[in-house]
Order: sequence, then structure tokens, then C-alpha cells
Amino acid sequence: AQSVTQLDSQVPVFEEAPVELRCNYSSSVSVYLFWYVQYPNQGLQLLLKYLSGSTLVKGINGFEAEFNKSQTSFHLRKPSVHISDTAEYFCAVSTSGTYKYIFGTGTRLKVLA
Amino acid sequence: GAGVSQSPRYKVAKRGQDVALRCDPISGHVSLFWYQQALGQGPEFLTYFQNEAQLDKSGLPSDRFFAERPEGSVSTLKIQRTQQEDSAVYLCASSPRTDSGNTIYFGEGSWLTVV
Repeated sequence: AQSVTQLDSQVPVFEEAPVELRCNYSSSVSVYLFWYVQYPNQGLQLLLKYLSGSTLVKGINGFEAEFNKSQTSFHLRKPSVHISDTAEYFCAVSTSGTYKYIFGTGTRLKVLA
Repeated sequence: GAGVSQSPRYKVAKRGQDVALRCDPISGHVSLFWYQQALGQGPEFLTYFQNEAQLDKSGLPSDRFFAERPEGSVSTLKIQRTQQEDSAVYLCASSPRTDSGNTIYFGEGSWLTVV
């Protein structure tokens, strides 16, 4: 069975500083990996996903993530954050042949002025 | 085009009351998911439909939870005899395909509070 671990429940960071949100997964088969963002009182919106190929994936709003198979990680990064990036970020995993997406518990990013 | 629409957005139910939550997926989307998101937690899978067929209901927490999608479009999640532990946001999501690398599109959720 697959699982996702987001070790950081909250990450405060100053505006224009870089940020990394960590995600580790567990799976015995090849995985597909996703990052979703949830703004207050809204649904989840896809930021980026890794299916295959290049391990560096670029998404919307200047975010990127790197798939590291040996470390079973898919950390999300942004070189310079804005106040508007304040939200909850969820990492998710699925595997070929299934339709179920397994989500982590989320990381609350708070960008400070 | 229109996204995934859920109603009601907010529902307060007295313990023991039955509730029904509606999901209108994006038109033409084959796959439909229901997730439950407790406060401070990530979404937890409840059930999956492919068109009108409910292929997986392994995440439904008890037999008080029931979901249907009779015509392969609109879906309803019904909770009978609600309990306080049912308080959560219920998220509906849809996808145009059935393969697992596909992007799923979420609605804004139905916030259920059981008092």
C-alpha cells in the first residue's frame, strides 16, 4: 500500500524568501506524484504532477518539485514566495492500475510580510 | 467551463438526522470521487465511480454512508443517522479519464457540522 508523509505541519517564511515543503512517499511500485494547493474555503487545485521523464517538474505560480526515487521524496520549492502563496499544500500519490489518490496531512505555508 | 459544483456548501445537522450532499461533476467526466477531510487533515478517500458504476467503496466509514451516481453524472453522498464524528468537509472530485496519472478536479466541498 502507498502512503505519503508531510513532516512539516506548518512552515512560516518571510515574503520573497525561498521555501521548501517536504514530501516523502512509500510504495512498492512505480508512482505518480502530485502537489495540490488549498486556499481558505476553496477546493484543492493542482500545482504540478510527476508521471515520468524529467525528475524536475515545473508547475503553476512559480512552484517546482523534484522527484528523487532513491530518497522516495517529492519536495516542493519556490525561490521567492509572495503573501498570496499563504495556503495549505498537499502532496498525493497514486500508482498505475489504480484510481485511488492518497493524500498527506498537509503543510500550512504562512508567508509573513 | 464550469468546475465541480457541490451543494450545500454548509450544512448543520442535529445528531441522528439524515443528510444528502450533492455533486455536479465537470460535464463529460467519467470518473467521480468522494473524499472526507477532517479538520487539520488531508483528504481521505471514500468512494469512486466510473460512470454509474461504483467500483470502490472501501473508504466509506460505516454502513450509514451511501453514495450513488445513477445516470453517470450527478452524484449524491448520503449519511444516515449522523454522528458528531461525521463532522468534516466532504469533497467531490471528477476526472475526464480513468487512468491513475490523471489530474482530478475538486469542488469547493460541503462543510458538515453535526451538533
